[in-house]
Amino acid sequence: QKEVEQNSGPLSVPEGAIASLNCTYSDRGSQSFFWYRQYSGKSPELIMSIYSNGDKEDGRFTAQLNKASQYVSLLIRDSQPSDSATYLCAVRRRSGGSYIPTFGRGTSLIVHP
Amino acid sequence: EAGVAQSPRYKIIEKRQSVAFWCNPISGHATLYWYQQILGQGPKLLIQFQNNGVVDDSQLPKDRFSAERLKGVDSTLKIQPAKLEDSAVYLCASSLVSQGQGTQYFGPGTRLTVL
Repeated sequence: QKEVEQNSGPLSVPEGAIASLNCTYSDRGSQSFFWYRQYSGKSPELIMSIYSNGDKEDGRFTAQLNKASQYVSLLIRDSQPSDSATYLCAVRRRSGGSYIPTFGRGTSLIVHP
Repeated sequence: EAGVAQSPRYKIIEKRQSVAFWCNPISGHATLYWYQQILGQGPKLLIQFQNNGVVDDSQLPKDRFSAERLKGVDSTLKIQPAKLEDSAVYLCASSLVSQGQGTQYFGPGTRLTVL
């Protein structure tokens, strides 16, 4: 079983709609959770981080975490064509005194005008 | 603040040749990561350093890959000998701390093609 699972997509939404991206993880000891955006040919850049159950909002982005269900999601409101990218879910698990990150394979999002 | 620097940006080699990548993290960042990203996949952690000590290298193919971080700053990743399946983008990232809330900042990556 893969440690971090994402649907590879593509997820296609019209401009102005809400895009919903989902991620599940297998390690119940995971401590922190991140969403990165990666444009084609570019490096990942951090969008959101979330550490406790519930919702966290930042502008058009909302991250949701449910540790009991081992599930983390990202909602993008008022989607724009510039949001078209691959969205990577990353999870950090504790190992000794450090935290080891694991990435999912990413979900490709296409926002069409 | 300067970002994570990597070189070279692109490298093309024949299989069985060797190659080395260099990374200079953001100044003051104690934790350094090397990832391999194959096309269509997420980044896979190869090795994580805390200062100049190895925190995790469980996914590093140690028969052909090696990495070091001299003086807890710059790092090099080497592949010897390279295989076709090593074709990927090699990403270096750094963070101020490795604890759960440390943000990782990625360099531009090195695109390796093995022919």
